[in-house]
Amino acid sequence: ETGVTQSPTHLIKTRGQQVTLRCSSQSGHNTVSWYQQALGQGPQFIFQYYREEENGRGNFPPRFSGLQFPNYSSELNVNALELDDSALYLCASSTGLADTGELFFGEGSRLTVL
Amino acid sequence: GNSVTQMEGPVTLSEEAFLTINCTYTATGYPSLFWYVQYPGEGLQLLLKATKADDKGSNKGFEATYRKETTSFHLEKGSVQVSDSAVYFCALGGNQGGKLIFGQGTELSVKP
Repeated sequence: ETGVTQSPTHLIKTRGQQVTLRCSSQSGHNTVSWYQQALGQGPQFIFQYYREEENGRGNFPPRFSGLQFPNYSSELNVNALELDDSALYLCASSTGLADTGELFFGEGSRLTVL
Repeated sequence: GNSVTQMEGPVTLSEEAFLTINCTYTATGYPSLFWYVQYPGEGLQLLLKATKADDKGSNKGFEATYRKETTSFHLEKGSVQVSDSAVYFCALGGNQGGKLIFGQGTELSVKP
C-alpha cells in the first residue's frame, strides 16, 4: 500500500511568484485535505477536496486554490506569494470527511518565500 | 469559534517517567477528539481518538479520555521511552466542514 506522497519536498520562491504543490493520496482514499503549518504551530486547515470538488475551506484568501484529479491526486496553488506564506504545507488523504475519521499525512512541502 | 489549547512545551522527561500532556477544547455540538504524533522526519500520524463523551482512546501505551464536563482530552502514558520523543498534537473534528482544528503542538523529549 502506497502512502501519501508530496512534491517537491523543499522549494524557495520570491514574493509575488506563484507555486504549485502536488500530492498523491493513499490508495483507496477519495478525499484530500491541505493544511499549512507555520514553524512552531499546529496545522491550519486550508481546504478539502472530495470527488474533484472543494468541500470545505478554512480562513485563507482566494489566492490559495486547489484541484483534485480523477485519480484523487491533488494540487495546491498559491498566487502572489507573500513572506508569511513560508511554511510546511501538508497534504492528507482519507475516506470520506476528514473531521470524523483518520487522516493520513504526507511529509509535507516546505516553502520558503524570500 | 472552536479551538484547541495544549500545554506548552518542550517537555523533557527521563525514560520510564509518567507523561501527561494537557489538552482543552472549546466547541459547539459534539466534536470528535484526536491525538496526532509527528516523529522526527516523518508526517503526522493518528495516535488515538475518541468520538463521544467518556470514551477512552488508547494506542501504544498512550491513552486519553474525552471529558465533556471539563472539555478536556489529556494524553497520558505510564512509562515513556526514548522512542516516544516527538511532537504531539491535540485536534478537534466533527461537524467542522471537513476540517480538523489542531492545537499548537507539544514537543516531548525523553532522555535515557
